[in-house]
Amino acid sequence: GENVEQHPSTLSVQEGDSAVIKCTYSDSASNYFPWYKQELGKGPQLIIDIRSNVGEKKDQRIAVTLNKTAKHFSLHITETQPEDSAVYFCAASTDSWGKLQFGAGTQVVVTP
Amino acid sequence: EPEVTQTPSHQVTQMGQEVILRCVPISNHLYFYWYRQILGQKVEFLVSFYNNEISEKSEIFDDQFSVERPDGSNFTLKIRSTKLEDSAMYFCASTVGNTGELFFGEGSRLTVL
Repeated sequence: GENVEQHPSTLSVQEGDSAVIKCTYSDSASNYFPWYKQELGKGPQLIIDIRSNVGEKKDQRIAVTLNKTAKHFSLHITETQPEDSAVYFCAASTDSWGKLQFGAGTQVVVTP
Repeated sequence: EPEVTQTPSHQVTQMGQEVILRCVPISNHLYFYWYRQILGQKVEFLVSFYNNEISEKSEIFDDQFSVERPDGSNFTLKIRSTKLEDSAMYFCASTVGNTGELFFGEGSRLTVL
């Protein structure tokens, strides 16, 4: 089955700097790659997603890139703010039925 | 903004007891899911549910687990005889179509003693 690896496990950045989180996946049939943000005591919230027919997607300060050949995708957060501090999960899906395989998560800490 | 709601937020139970976790998905959503997250580990898929039947289930979802949509709004996860290793945060999720864009609830923390 699908296996998603996520790095780093923790990331500390200064406010205003950029943060990059990388994920790799194993199943070449995966075609949907969402990113979730989880704040303490809350459920994961979708922040951006990308499908396999595009290589990059941007939404304000966040962007996701996908390299299908290398089977990896990355989340980029620019101009980080303290409210960006959270755990970020990447995920992959080989179909459209909502069965997501999650990465282990990255704890992002943005220090003022 | 519509949201997925879950109850209880935290439940403590004795090993061997039955537990029911409840979820109210977003009203126009048709696909429902349960995931779990053991402390410090990945979020794991348990089961998907559509048209009043299970679409897919993981290896974790054994005979001790069951799901039900007893009425038009609730979606429940039952664990018949809880084990210590069932201690986890259980997340309900829903989506309007089979697009994969899941909306998660805030979770129900289950502690089995």
